[in-house]
Amino acid sequence: GAVVSQHPSRVICKSGTSVKIECRSLDFQATTMFWYRQFPKQSLMLMATSNEGSKATYEQGVEKDKFLINHASLTLSTLTVTSAHPEDSSFYICSASSGYQIYNEQFFGPGTRLTVL
Amino acid sequence: GEDVEQSLFLSVREGDSSVINCTYTDSSSTYLYWYKQEPGAGLQLLTYIFSNMDMKQDQRLTVLLNKKDKHLSLRIADTQTGDSAIYFCAESIGNNAGNMLTFGGGTRLMVKP
Repeated sequence: GAVVSQHPSRVICKSGTSVKIECRSLDFQATTMFWYRQFPKQSLMLMATSNEGSKATYEQGVEKDKFLINHASLTLSTLTVTSAHPEDSSFYICSASSGYQIYNEQFFGPGTRLTVL
Repeated sequence: GEDVEQSLFLSVREGDSSVINCTYTDSSSTYLYWYKQEPGAGLQLLTYIFSNMDMKQDQRLTVLLNKKDKHLSLRIADTQTGDSAIYFCAESIGNNAGNMLTFGGGTRLMVKP
């Protein structure tokens, strides 16, 4: 199946710094990428949907200035957590889909665990 | 509105069958999915079912869909310790591959030897 990678897999940063997380589709072109956030023992919460070359669509309650999403190419989307605070500590997962699946599958990355001290 | 619900926890003995249940509210769901998440990892698609199907079987996995009751289940036959994980059901609406998924809260399956 299609492979989606995320980098880094784990990051620890100080409060007030910015962190960039990359999501790459390795063997297919991802017209749409999704960013999710998962708190411990909870489900995934969709943060935003991004289409290549256009602005991301953020879910209600997600601060677009706090979580900057860039989808500059068909294989790369980035999520930048700006001025991170301890409450931003979470597991961030991206997924990608192309226009060719017949069952709307999203392929998920392995996740990035962010810890803000 | 969309709402997908699952029971939080299921414990079975190795070799038994596991049945994980899910209910959803949006009758316009097009596809329904089961994902598996192992500790500290992303999500792995296990299987999916199109909304006009009642059942789908794939090796040890059987998915049953009762569209009238908006109930989805995943049966794992001969459950193994390696099946211990969190299982999420999810739904999507429409036929566009870019449609968002709505996830249930996840069911933690524990398989005892």
